[in-house]
Amino acid sequence: GAGVSQSPSNKVTEKGKDVELRCDPISGHTALYWYRQSLGQGLEFLIYFQGNSAPDKSGLPSDRFSAERTGGSVSTLTIQRTQQEDSAVYLCASSSRAGMSDSPLHFGNGTRLTVT
Amino acid sequence: AQKITQTQPGMFVQEKEAVTLDCTYDTSDPSYGLFWYKQPSSGEMIFLIYQGSYDQQNATEGRYSLNFQKARKSANLVISASQLGDSAMYFCAMREEGGGNKLTFGTGTQLKVEL
Repeated sequence: GAGVSQSPSNKVTEKGKDVELRCDPISGHTALYWYRQSLGQGLEFLIYFQGNSAPDKSGLPSDRFSAERTGGSVSTLTIQRTQQEDSAVYLCASSSRAGMSDSPLHFGNGTRLTVT
Repeated sequence: AQKITQTQPGMFVQEKEAVTLDCTYDTSDPSYGLFWYKQPSSGEMIFLIYQGSYDQQNATEGRYSLNFQKARKSANLVISASQLGDSAMYFCAMREEGGGNKLTFGTGTQLKVEL
């Protein structure tokens, strides 16, 4: 597709369950980012992938959060044992020229996660 | 300390008027980039404009311009001839060369354009 694709668009889960969120970046984009946006807040960096390099996991809030990127393309963000404070919109973004400060991030429409 | 500060939680502007959304930043990295994004109520994040720390001229993209004052560490977004469709949340963001490629976002400014 032409843009960053995320699925599902909405996810409601019970506290304590695991969830997987998927991101399909723009074809050819080498860098992939996950951000979290809580209601009415700015964007909180979670994790960044660049090619085959080790990901930058510095924004992951706890060890319940993990992400992988297979084949340098699709990425999955996994949240284990979900808590109510995990409720947020999870945004994925990709960029074409990682390492270049002028390369904008192109965002998907996000996955709205609600933990009940 | 906050890396990106947006001090206006909400702004109103009349249609066809110009509006300035404030953004100040904090970095010791000599090489960095500043970005503005628009987020309408639909939730998508739309890239608007970019300014590099070494750029001599202020960036412009159509009705958007960036008033870059490096010594003051400010990067205000100016929207000229406001339209109803400009009503949205606007985020300022920064990428530092030595910051691992992530964009750090401000808390945003909610802009409402009125008739």
